[in-house]
Amino acid sequence: NAGVTQTPKFQVLKTGQSMTLQCAQDMNHEYMSWYRQDPGMGLRLIHYSVGAGITDQGEVPNGYNVSRSTTEDFPLRLLSAAPSQTSVYFCASTVRDTGELFFGEGSRLTVL
Amino acid sequence: SQQGEEDPQALSIQEGENATMNCSYKTSINNLQWYRQNSGRGLVHLILIRSNEREKHSGRLRVTLDTSKKSSSLLITASRAADTASYFCATGHNTNAGKSTFGDGTTLTVKP
Repeated sequence: NAGVTQTPKFQVLKTGQSMTLQCAQDMNHEYMSWYRQDPGMGLRLIHYSVGAGITDQGEVPNGYNVSRSTTEDFPLRLLSAAPSQTSVYFCASTVRDTGELFFGEGSRLTVL
Repeated sequence: SQQGEEDPQALSIQEGENATMNCSYKTSINNLQWYRQNSGRGLVHLILIRSNEREKHSGRLRVTLDTSKKSSSLLITASRAADTASYFCATGHNTNAGKSTFGDGTTLTVKP
C-alpha cells in the first residue's frame, strides 16, 4: 500500500514564485491535512479538509491555498513564495474514528 | 500556539535503560497520540490513548494519561539504539477530528 504520497520531495524556489505541493492518499480517508515543520520544532497545521469540497484554515494558513476536489488528493499551493515559507511540509490523512494520522515522507522547500 | 508541550526537550541514555517523556496540554481532549520521527523522515504513529483511558501498552511502550493534570507520559523500556528519534505528542478533539495539535517534541538519543 502506498499510503500518503507527497511530491516533490525537494524544491527550491525564488521569492515571489508560486508552486503546488501534491498529496495523494489511497486509504479512502475522509480527513486530510497539511502541516509545516520548522527546524527543531513540532508540526503546525496549515489547512485541513474533512471531505471533498470542504476545507478550513489551521494555525498558520497565510500564504497558502488548498482545494479538495476528490477524496484522494489535497494539493497545497504557495501563491507567492517568501523566505519565511522555507520549511518541511507534511501531508497527512486521518482515520475518522480515531484521529490517528498517517503521514507522507515530507516535501522540503527552500525559498531563496 | 502549541497545545502539547513535551519535556524534556532532549534525552540521552544508554542502551538497555528506560526512557520517559512527558507531555502537557492545555484544553480538554478526546484522545492523545504519540508519534515518532526519525531524522529526515515523516512521523509514524506509535500509540493512541483515549480520554477515558489511564494506561495503555504496546510492546515496549507504555503510555499514561492523567486528564486531571492534563498530562501524559511515554515510557520506552529496554531502549535500543534504533529508538533514537524525536517523539511528539498530539492532542485530538471530538469537534475537530483531523485537526491534531502537536508539541515541539523530545529528541531521544540512545547510545550503544
